[in-house]
Amino acid sequence: KAGVTQTPRYLIKTRGQQVTLSCSPISGHRSVSWYQQTPGQGLQFLFEYFSETQRNKGNFPGRFSGRQFSNSRSEMNVSTLELGDSALYLCASSRAAGNTIYFGEGSWLTVV
Amino acid sequence: QQQVKQSPQSLIVQKGGISIINCAYENTAFDYFPWYQQFPGKGPALLIAIRPDVSEKKEGRFTISFNKSAKQFSLHIMDSQPGDSATYFCAASMGSGGSNYKLTFGKGTLLTVNP
Repeated sequence: KAGVTQTPRYLIKTRGQQVTLSCSPISGHRSVSWYQQTPGQGLQFLFEYFSETQRNKGNFPGRFSGRQFSNSRSEMNVSTLELGDSALYLCASSRAAGNTIYFGEGSWLTVV
Repeated sequence: QQQVKQSPQSLIVQKGGISIINCAYENTAFDYFPWYQQFPGKGPALLIAIRPDVSEKKEGRFTISFNKSAKQFSLHIMDSQPGDSATYFCAASMGSGGSNYKLTFGKGTLLTVNP
């Protein structure tokens, strides 16, 4: 059974640009959540989607947004990139609320 | 506000020794406490998890001890092996109604097991 798949794995963007990251959850999983991991702040919750609806959002500015499609795949977008957005962005999926959360290997974003 | 405090930041253990990582939480509404293991270049992988209705859970060489009154929980790795060298994260979430989709993580512990 394939795990959580994230694309692209690595990318470099310039300040002011925008970026879209993609996540394919484990087959049968309907909940997808996103986390940002940095050396200074650690792992921080961005938002979670279930059945195409955002159920919860972390304390991040409006430049961070996401969506979920009917096949449970999800994308997150960061607009007007700042140097501080350089991080590992992790997608996680679970079958439903209350179930084990599985992480993908992440997308490494570097903003220059 | 750091809701989950993890210590130590780094830990060096000899092969065969016991590794102990501690976490403390503030929010008494938390009722699901997982531990994740992360190798360089990889995403976190669930190691073991506990709910507060039990004080201890063991899976192989990994044991979680939970102290609800002290709002603390810890991970014990018995017979530590070089392959256990990784970063370990404790986490907590509010599982009320099963909605444990928002994990609050500790800052992580870098474990090095020397051969």
